[in-house]
Amino acid sequence: DAGVTQSPTHLIKTRGQQVTLRCSPKSGHDTVSWYQQALGQGPQFIFQYYEEEERQRGNFPDRFSGHQFPNYSSELNVNALLLGDSALYLCASSSAGHYMQPQHFGDGTRLSIL
Amino acid sequence: EDKVVQSPLSLVVHEGDTVTLNCSYEVTNFRSLLWYKQEKKAPTFLFMLTSSGIEKKSGRLSSILDKKELFSILNITATQTGDSAIYLCAVEALAETETSGSRLTFGEGTQLTVNP
Repeated sequence: DAGVTQSPTHLIKTRGQQVTLRCSPKSGHDTVSWYQQALGQGPQFIFQYYEEEERQRGNFPDRFSGHQFPNYSSELNVNALLLGDSALYLCASSSAGHYMQPQHFGDGTRLSIL
Repeated sequence: EDKVVQSPLSLVVHEGDTVTLNCSYEVTNFRSLLWYKQEKKAPTFLFMLTSSGIEKKSGRLSSILDKKELFSILNITATQTGDSAIYLCAVEALAETETSGSRLTFGEGTQLTVNP
């Protein structure tokens, strides 16, 4: 049973560039949430996708955008990268139809901005 | 704004010790409280708590929730070096409507180091 998979594992970008991170949810899950985890901090909620639409959004600027595909996989896009965007980006999946089930996390993408 | 505070932020113990990790929260539309263990990468799920006073156990780990006082504790007995990790507490809050989904708000985590 494949868990949540994310790609790439590591990424190095420079300020001002754009980046796309990818996530495939756990088999049977239809909801994908994205989190940003800065060094020494807990994960912070960016947004959640369900039925190919953004369902909830955290306190992140419009430079952060996403997409969900019909197969439930998802992308996180960040434009005009800033040094402060350096972090571990975590994807979590869950099932909207299974009440009271936890979100399952992928290993994350480590993004470094130079 | 939803808030989760964990204490202590860092803890160093010897193998065999018992530890108690604390989590307090303020959240609108509480749905559940979750504990995760994070070693190198993915946070791995430990417990989900929804009702006050009911202890959940898994081996040497146990957790309980107090919805009146808005806190939870995670206990680890007979600690082992493999328990060294960051322990994250998260609160799940519902959006205004059930169909709008839910979000997790995390605390900063407790860095536990177990020395042999």
